[in-house]
Amino acid sequence: EVQLLESGGGLVQPGGSLRLFCVASGFRFSGYAMSWVRQAPGKGLEWVSTVSGSGAATNYTDSVKGRFTISRDSSKNTLYLQMNSLRAEDTAVYYCAKEYLGDGGSVFDSWGQGALVTVSS
Amino acid sequence: EIVLTQSPAFQSVTPKEKVTITCRASRRIGNALHWYQQKPNQSPKLLIKYASQSFSGVPSRFSGSGSGTDFTLTISSLEAEDAATYFCHQSSSLPHSFGPGTKVDI
Repeated sequence: EVQLLESGGGLVQPGGSLRLFCVASGFRFSGYAMSWVRQAPGKGLEWVSTVSGSGAATNYTDSVKGRFTISRDSSKNTLYLQMNSLRAEDTAVYYCAKEYLGDGGSVFDSWGQGALVTVSS
Repeated sequence: EIVLTQSPAFQSVTPKEKVTITCRASRRIGNALHWYQQKPNQSPKLLIKYASQSFSGVPSRFSGSGSGTDFTLTISSLEAEDAATYFCHQSSSLPHSFGPGTKVDI
């Protein structure tokens, strides 16, 4: 059974930093791309970033480019999201998601329970 | 960026009723359209991938159809446990984008 467990969320002041963690189990971690998807309170879903299975390729939504860094450590089955220069609009539940790659692009087939990040003074 | 719109935004239904949710893409995306269910205070769960393929373990009352720009999620006979918000998602091109959601209330 695939399990994704996020941690590292919390309250941070504007301009501050936070690092999210996602520990994966139940599948061959290095064989799949992994993503972060966020959801602001009472709002819809927003893709944030993706890292390839090898860790060599990354992609980001425009609003976090230059501020967030996604990475992974296959020896620890762990996905990371380093978030710097945080803004109030980054406040959201951050979900870690496993990607399945098919002929029509990738789909998020497993999700973690989420980590709440609150940016406020 | 591909924009997804969903209709209706909200639907109040009774058990055993048939529910149809539509998702429209701002440009053609082939079959790169997926559907998720999110219940209150839970993470999203994949229901349908690539427009019409049911994900493992999903009840057969959930089905998807469509291609190009217009897609449909159908719940053939609604059950009380299906009360949730349903989102569509396109993976044809980056950035991934999601529809605004359809809340189904029973």
